[in-house]
Amino acid sequence: DAMVIQNPRYQVTQFGKPVTLSCSQTLNHNVMYWYQQKSSQAPKLLFHYYDKDFNNEADTPDNFQSRRPNTSFCFLDIRSPGLGDAAMYLCATSRGQGGLTGEQFFGPGTRLTVL
Amino acid sequence: GQNIDQPTEMTATEGAIVQINCTYQTSGFNGLFWYQQHAGEAPTFLSYNVLDGLEEKGRFSSFLSRSKGYSYLLLKELQMKDSASYLCAVLSGGYNKLIFGAGTRLAVHP
Repeated sequence: DAMVIQNPRYQVTQFGKPVTLSCSQTLNHNVMYWYQQKSSQAPKLLFHYYDKDFNNEADTPDNFQSRRPNTSFCFLDIRSPGLGDAAMYLCATSRGQGGLTGEQFFGPGTRLTVL
Repeated sequence: GQNIDQPTEMTATEGAIVQINCTYQTSGFNGLFWYQQHAGEAPTFLSYNVLDGLEEKGRFSSFLSRSKGYSYLLLKELQMKDSASYLCAVLSGGYNKLIFGAGTRLAVHP
């Protein structure tokens, strides 16, 4: 089945220790997104790629970086995690960004704990 | 600014009907999505509206009024498994970003 896969599902890291979360998709979608979601809050868009074009949200901290080496994979790097970065990180994809092509398909998420 | 409002919590009885409202003020509008999210899981797509009116899909229906900046999600014949958060999201802006509301946590009880 075509899908969005995130690894690992649960990640524990130490304060200040770099961590990388990964996302892969078999949908062959053009757009990939990373969201941060804290408990009982809306998903917050961090950045997205349209093909190789990277789009950073204005309020995304410099601590967060992303890489998309090919269509299928996208990585979220947190350079120096703080306690406030503990959250669920959701990866999503869409075919395009207009109308129903903008429907986003979400991966299961990675829950990050910072000790 | 971008603003999407929906009630924080709702409760309903198994077998009943519930309506979850969403109002929005966004710079640009290219459609409205409803997603269901169970605790600790990813959001899953429920519906999409871009024109005014009602879209029906089995037990779920979604309504849109663009002039009023208003949508609702109607769930019929509620089941216990419908206990989840329901997220209203508007496709908006130059990049057609999906702007999410904070979600409505629905609890269905027997």
